[in-house]
Amino acid sequence: DIQMTQSPSSLSASVGDRVTITCRASQSISNFLNWYQQKPGKAPKLLIYAASNLQSGVPSRFSGSGSGTDFTLSISSLQPEDFAAYYCQQSYTTPRTFGQGTKVEIK
Amino acid sequence: EVQLVQSGAEVKKPGESLKISCKGSGYSFTSDWIGWVRQMPGKGLELMGIIYPGDSDTIYRPSFQGQVTISADKSINTAYLQWSSLKASDTAMYYCARRNGYVADAFDIWGQGTMVTVSS
Repeated sequence: DIQMTQSPSSLSASVGDRVTITCRASQSISNFLNWYQQKPGKAPKLLIYAASNLQSGVPSRFSGSGSGTDFTLSISSLQPEDFAAYYCQQSYTTPRTFGQGTKVEIK
Repeated sequence: EVQLVQSGAEVKKPGESLKISCKGSGYSFTSDWIGWVRQMPGKGLELMGIIYPGDSDTIYRPSFQGQVTISADKSINTAYLQWSSLKASDTAMYYCARRNGYVADAFDIWGQGTMVTVSS
């Protein structure tokens, strides 16, 4: 299985901060990398697909980059509704695997 | 509206059987893979397996093979996840999700989740 490792596991930030989360794959996955947001008690929501493509309806303060093994999710100006857990997931090969998650908390 | 609607929360005893469901609407249910994702309390997301409702082709993650059965009934646009003998360690939230080839095989539509609690 391809291992997906996110860092950090958690972070504290203030409204308006720029936040960056990284995801590293154990082998090259080209750009087959997706990002999800999960709020407490809710189902995950797709934010970004194919490393850098914003899913319809997702605010433009979210962006993704990277290819090969190293990827980032950035939030340009953190908003109160962005405090949540974020997961990366590779869709390069079976079984599809997720990172362990990054929890973004209020400072 | 494209949506997946899952069956309600379940409380079961160890050794009991269970089948939970995921009903799709608003799109061609037989044209996209459906995945089942486990989230144990306070933990991350694990894809258990996927099914193509058009022909019921199913792929299990090796660690879940033999532990659960994934099936679908395309006549009623519904996918299922079932256990023959539950364990306490099956306690988790279970999500179904649509895998969409138009967004690089990401899971773009998710059910609301079914909480399964296994306790004696």
